[in-house]
Amino acid sequence: GAGVSQSPSNKVTEKGKDVELRCDPISGHTALYWYRQSLGQGLEFLIYFQGNSAPDKSGLPSDRFSAERTGGSVSTLTIQRTQQEDSAVYLCASTLQALPGDHNYGYTFGSGTRLTVV
Amino acid sequence: AQKITQTQPGMFVQEKEAVTLDCTYDTSDPSYGLFWYKQPSSGEMIFLIYQGSYDQQNATEGRYSLNFQKARKSANLVISASQLGDSAMYFCAMRELNTGFQKLVFGTGTRLLVSP
Repeated sequence: GAGVSQSPSNKVTEKGKDVELRCDPISGHTALYWYRQSLGQGLEFLIYFQGNSAPDKSGLPSDRFSAERTGGSVSTLTIQRTQQEDSAVYLCASTLQALPGDHNYGYTFGSGTRLTVV
Repeated sequence: AQKITQTQPGMFVQEKEAVTLDCTYDTSDPSYGLFWYKQPSSGEMIFLIYQGSYDQQNATEGRYSLNFQKARKSANLVISASQLGDSAMYFCAMRELNTGFQKLVFGTGTRLLVSP
């Protein structure tokens, strides 16, 4: 597609329920990133995919968070047993490539999914 | 570990004036890139400008320029001739090219308000 597409745009869920957030990157972008932005805060890195593999999962806050990417394209971020502190905007970004020495490969961000846990 | 610091939670500027948004960074990687993003109330992240650590000249993009002072590890964003549409959150970010090339690390942001 023309841009990074995220769905749903808004999600309200009850505490304890599982949620799935979807990211459809720009066609051909091999690198995909998930970030979390709490209200009034900066962006917190969650996980990075190169192709279908995730060489950097260091930002996932707990084992309730997981992500997968299939076919080198769509990625799903799953949050199990949601807690109120999971409420945030979840942003996805993709880039053409992510290799050492690369310079200004542009990150394209989606519009995010606003998750509210009640 | 890479770190970005933005010390100005909020800035005010009058239309048509210039404003500087501060950003300092910390890294042990000699090869890195610095980015500025704008986030309006709609929530989208808009790329503004990029500076590579080995770039000899300060980056410029239209009304945006980056005041890069490598020895001081600062990368301030200068917006000239502010417009009402510049009111937004502004984030400074860094990517290490040899170690943490996988991710952008963001500062906490500065909220800019442009008044008529």
